[in-house]
Amino acid sequence: SQQGEEDPQALSIQEGENATMNCSYKTSINNLQWYRQNSGRGLVHLILIRSNEREKHSGRLRVTLDTSKKSSSLLITASRAADTASYFCATDRVGSTLGRLYFGRGTQLTVWP
Amino acid sequence: NAGVMQNPRHLVRRRGQEARLRCSPMKGHSHVYWYRQLPEEGLKFMVYLQKENIIDESGMPKERFSAEFPKEGPSILRIQQVVRGDSAAYFCASSPAAGSDTGELFFGEGSRLTVL
Repeated sequence: SQQGEEDPQALSIQEGENATMNCSYKTSINNLQWYRQNSGRGLVHLILIRSNEREKHSGRLRVTLDTSKKSSSLLITASRAADTASYFCATDRVGSTLGRLYFGRGTQLTVWP
Repeated sequence: NAGVMQNPRHLVRRRGQEARLRCSPMKGHSHVYWYRQLPEEGLKFMVYLQKENIIDESGMPKERFSAEFPKEGPSILRIQQVVRGDSAAYFCASSPAAGSDTGELFFGEGSRLTVL
């Protein structure tokens, strides 16, 4: 079954604005990862946050994790048209096979120039 | 350093035919995973292999689907007697051998199977 559930399903913003995507999950995790997928392409890893971390930054990306609420958010600051893509959260469940990730349905982000 | 290489990128098959999808992991990676993505959905785990071993195939349908990762050559995902419901994008991912605990997977560009 799907593990992560992202919202919103679709997000449309102007260049320069910030984009926030949320992810909720249901079971205990080792870590949570965010991936990006351009249309018709493979997934690219963006950032990983471990279950004992609360916030992590990488360039224009900021990820938070609230294990009490079983939720995470991905913030992209000062968005660019090139950020247009689908963004997926994926969880590494406690007790799961190494490398077996559970993906949500994704948020389709459109950034207008 | 080449990334994960998948071929073919696009494959069209008629119902009842066989589909073979190939994946060469990144250099130095000995863990290979296959995921399937249906339209407008996230990826779903199918199978995890190491060289010559299937570690976890619990996400793969019991019938018609098989996977291997031989000592030499790429990993192969084989779908026999394809049906329309098999139409999807199949992604291969790899990760380094034991010793890397980042949990990050490196994905290929995918093979898009269309069953007519």
